[in-house]
Amino acid sequence: QITLKESGPTLVKPTQTLTLTCTLSGISLTTPGAVVGWIRQPPGKALEWLGVVYWHEIKYYSPLLKSRVTITKDTSRNQVVLTMPNMDPVDTATYYCAVAADHGFPIWAQGAMVTVSS
Amino acid sequence: DVVVTQFPDSLAVSLGERATINCRSSHSVLDSANNRNHLAWYQQKPGQPPKLLIHWASTRESGVPDRFSGSGSGTDFTLTISSLQAEDVAVYYCQTYYYSPPQWTFGQGTKVEIK
Repeated sequence: QITLKESGPTLVKPTQTLTLTCTLSGISLTTPGAVVGWIRQPPGKALEWLGVVYWHEIKYYSPLLKSRVTITKDTSRNQVVLTMPNMDPVDTATYYCAVAADHGFPIWAQGAMVTVSS
Repeated sequence: DVVVTQFPDSLAVSLGERATINCRSSHSVLDSANNRNHLAWYQQKPGQPPKLLIHWASTRESGVPDRFSGSGSGTDFTLTISSLQAEDVAVYYCQTYYYSPPQWTFGQGTKVEIK
């Protein structure tokens, strides 16, 4: 059974950098075909895809957020890390990591609520 | 950039009646190599992550009731709930995958309520 879990701060100050970690179980990040993505959802609003990282290290990012989002892998810990600098209150959202495929996101973590406030 | 538009934004349907949600992509998501559409539908209930209901536009995930069905091709798609049940109250999202370069795009969501 594949599971994912996010961890990281629940509160960040404006201009700070957000770092969230997604820890996977039941699948190795080095397994061919393993793709993990990040999606966020501001309170009461729609889902927004942020980016993905493939098992072979290639990454793709949302055109809208490409300059602010960085996704990295730590294969020794089976973790995927999302980094977003210069956080603003409009970045307040629930951040999800999920297994990605070209047919969708079949497996999601529970989500991590991040509030940006001074 | 791919833009995905859902309509309506919300709808209220009586129990046992049909609910229909539409989704339109600015780019065709038909994969000519395998004749599959890269279009998925999700159900999201409050406080929960989205749940994948349908992929390839019309293939139900395991365990999804057959009252949920998807149709369409290219740029226009539909999710139909044939007989709305109380547990179907949720927000539904469509999502496309476009391959060049790879990007996943969600619609703005449709809230389904009981009339």
